[in-house]
Amino acid sequence: GESVGLHLPTLSVQEGDNSIINCAYSNSASDYFIWYKQESGKGPQFIIDIRSNMDKRQGQRVTVLLNKTVKHLSLQIAATQPGDSAVYFCAEIGGGGNKLTFGTGTQLKVEL
Amino acid sequence: DSGVTQTPKHLITATGQRVTLRCSPRSGDLSVYWYQQSLDQGLQFLIQYYNGEERAKGNILERFSAQQFPDLHSELNLSSLELGDSALYFCASSGTGDSEKLFFGSGTQLSVL
Repeated sequence: GESVGLHLPTLSVQEGDNSIINCAYSNSASDYFIWYKQESGKGPQFIIDIRSNMDKRQGQRVTVLLNKTVKHLSLQIAATQPGDSAVYFCAEIGGGGNKLTFGTGTQLKVEL
Repeated sequence: DSGVTQTPKHLITATGQRVTLRCSPRSGDLSVYWYQQSLDQGLQFLIQYYNGEERAKGNILERFSAQQFPDLHSELNLSSLELGDSALYFCASSGTGDSEKLFFGSGTQLSVL
């Protein structure tokens, strides 16, 4: 099953470096994907989304890449800042479903 | 601030008790979702309401129930509480124009002792 907290994979980056957080999904019928950021003590916060008819979408300092062939999603954060430290979740929906399913989160730690 | 309001922020109770968690969605949003987040299970979908009616059900226990009122606020009722029910409970809402994008509240931390 999915897990967070003590069992979260962790990515440590230096401040100013680029971060890449990866996510594998299993439902090939999923057609909409979202990245959420969750800071300690807060609820998940929407970052960026992408539909399955796109391969790439850019936001402010963030880029989401979608590879449907291998069912892989990635979130790239440019010039990572201390405020980016959080747990990042990918979520998917589609295939006739109507609920957002969250993947295992990744803990991003930004080192000064 | 997502615009979704949850109360209370923290709740401490004993096993066997019943509690009610409250959620006010973003202004204009008709859909309300409840999620449970625990250390070993991640974010688990419980239930969704749309304009007062149940729309989808996830891994929600029979001891749990929810409802959405005419003013669109929602309540999640948890009864016969067990130690394992201790978790963060999140409410999220979405609008009709972009129904898949969920906006989350800051959650209610439930501790069952």
